[in-house]
Amino acid sequence: EAGVAQSPRYKIIEKRQSVAFWCNPISGHATLYWYQQILGQGPKLLIQFQNNGVVDDSQLPKDRFSAERLKGVDSTLKIQPAKLEDSAVYLCASSFRGTQYFGPGTRLLVL
Amino acid sequence: GNSVTQMEGPVTLSEEAFLTINCTYTATGYPSLFWYVQYPGEGLQLLLKATKADDKGSNKGFEATYRKETTSFHLEKGSVQVSDSAVYFCALQEYGNKLVFGAGTILRVKS
Repeated sequence: EAGVAQSPRYKIIEKRQSVAFWCNPISGHATLYWYQQILGQGPKLLIQFQNNGVVDDSQLPKDRFSAERLKGVDSTLKIQPAKLEDSAVYLCASSFRGTQYFGPGTRLLVL
Repeated sequence: GNSVTQMEGPVTLSEEAFLTINCTYTATGYPSLFWYVQYPGEGLQLLLKATKADDKGSNKGFEATYRKETTSFHLEKGSVQVSDSAVYFCALQEYGNKLVFGAGTILRVKS
């Protein structure tokens, strides 16, 4: 069974630029999560989807971050404009019966 | 709010040594508890979990017991290998399946 796929794996941008990350969850998993993992810290939830609806986006900085899951499968997370403090690994996960499975992450560096 | 506290690292051990990584939590109710492992450059992999008090999760020689009395879920392994070198994250699952992670503990095993 294929795992959670993410792309790109690495991205370097300058501050004030925009960037987008893509995630394809495990087939059949209805719930999808985006986490931000800053160096030296544990992952922090940004947004949770159930099918194509948002369940929890209370920790998403909505002035610059947006996410969508239009057809209830793939998801895109966007940052516009990026700030230096957005440098982190962005992890996507999908869940089945309460257990979350993580993708390899996208490492973002904002210069 | 709910939180997870892990022992600070890095933890440096010789091969075949005994491993303990402490994890305590603060939560309302009785959340499910997880240990995830992150190898260099990779995403998080589920190592083991426990869903109720006194449950013992185990996998690949690692084990952890859900202790309600001490609100703890310490990770143990009897004999570590160089290949166990990674970052270990303890996490609890809140209502709605959101995961709250500790800061992670770096484990380095020397041959």
